[in-house]
Amino acid sequence: AQSVTQPDIHITVSEGASLELRCNYSYGATPYLFWYVQSPGQGLQLLLKYFSGDTLVQGIKGFEAEFKRSQSSFNLRKPSVHWSDAAEYFCAVGALRGGSYIPTFGRGTSLIVHP
Amino acid sequence: SQTIHQWPATLVQPVGSPLSLECTVEGTSNPNLYWYRQAAGRGLQLLFYSVGIGQISSEVPQNLSASRPQDRQFILSSKKLLLSDSGFYLCARTAGFNEKLFFGSGTQLSVL
Repeated sequence: AQSVTQPDIHITVSEGASLELRCNYSYGATPYLFWYVQSPGQGLQLLLKYFSGDTLVQGIKGFEAEFKRSQSSFNLRKPSVHWSDAAEYFCAVGALRGGSYIPTFGRGTSLIVHP
Repeated sequence: SQTIHQWPATLVQPVGSPLSLECTVEGTSNPNLYWYRQAAGRGLQLLFYSVGIGQISSEVPQNLSASRPQDRQFILSSKKLLLSDSGFYLCARTAGFNEKLFFGSGTQLSVL
């Protein structure tokens, strides 16, 4: 079965600093990978996704992520963090089961942004 | 529009009482439907998924069950709630292969 590990429970950065949130997955075939964000009091929103092709994917709000098959990783990055980026970030892997795509999430990383 | 209705928004139940959370979707036919639970410190845990009417797959052995009596209806149930069932329950759907998840607004369940 597939699994997702987000090793950092909390990450604290200063506004304007760069950001990298780690995500490692376990899956026997080519994975479909996603990053979602959950802002306080709001639902989950898709930031970006990787299905195939270019391993560097661009998302909304200035985020990007790079798929590295050799490292089984899909880390999320942003060059300059804004205070409004403070939220919970979830990495997810989708795996085929019986012809359907089933997404499994990591535990999440809480991003704290200092002014 | 593709909308997910989830109710109730909040629920407080005593230990040992039954549970029924309902989720209905609009705007798409034959969706894949999911129940997730978000508990503090545990992230988003997949509980059940369904690829069609009457087809339920369980991800985690637990005190809960799910049913899909109609194409756009997904129900989460329990006969006797435990304290550990407390959490934020999210219904979600995907409309097609590899599509992103659309989430409902969630139900905050507190078992006391």
